[in-house]
Amino acid sequence: SQKIEQNSEALNIQEGKTATLTCNYTNYSPAYLQWYRQDPGRGPVFLLLIRENEKEKRKERLKVTFDTTLKQSLFHITASQPADSATYLCALGSSGGGADGLTFGKGTHLIIQP
Amino acid sequence: ETGVTQTPRHLVMGMTNKKSLKCEQHLGHNAMYWYKQSAKKPLELMFVYNFKEQTENNSVPSRFSPECPNSSHLFLHLHTLQPEDSALYLCASTSVAQGARGQPQHFGDGTRLSIL
Repeated sequence: SQKIEQNSEALNIQEGKTATLTCNYTNYSPAYLQWYRQDPGRGPVFLLLIRENEKEKRKERLKVTFDTTLKQSLFHITASQPADSATYLCALGSSGGGADGLTFGKGTHLIIQP
Repeated sequence: ETGVTQTPRHLVMGMTNKKSLKCEQHLGHNAMYWYKQSAKKPLELMFVYNFKEQTENNSVPSRFSPECPNSSHLFLHLHTLQPEDSALYLCASTSVAQGARGQPQHFGDGTRLSIL
């Protein structure tokens, strides 16, 4: 069965350092991968999309890599700030086209300590 | 800030009650989704509607009944629920276009459902 694993339930990083979150998947050939941020009591908010033929995407302090051979995506937040503290979700989409439903990982709870 | 509004935000109901969750999107999207988020588990896709037509039912029990009267509104009708159905129910929408995969999904803030 399809499985998505995010490296840890919680990750503590000191302010100013780079936070790196991992998303690994098995039994899946995604056409694209997305990262979302979720704050307590709120719905997920879209951050970045990376497609199967792309290696890296950047947006401000965020960077995502996608290695379809390793079946892994890495999500980096550089110059981390306490406001970056949240749960980050990895989500995979199929190549079926149309209104794809996403398959999510459990998420990593990131804590940036001042 | 969200263009997807879910009501109510919290709902407590008994196992024999019938209630409905409502979702409305103001983004001009043409696809809508219901997801379930339980503690310590990943978001689980429940239903997908594309141009008001249900295109996916992810093996959801029949005690959950979706309705999509138009591309802006989505309902989830609940009846005879079980305690394990207690969870956060999230609605999302997106714009589906020919040849454009991976469009971001915009989520509401969910309905926190508790079954007594």
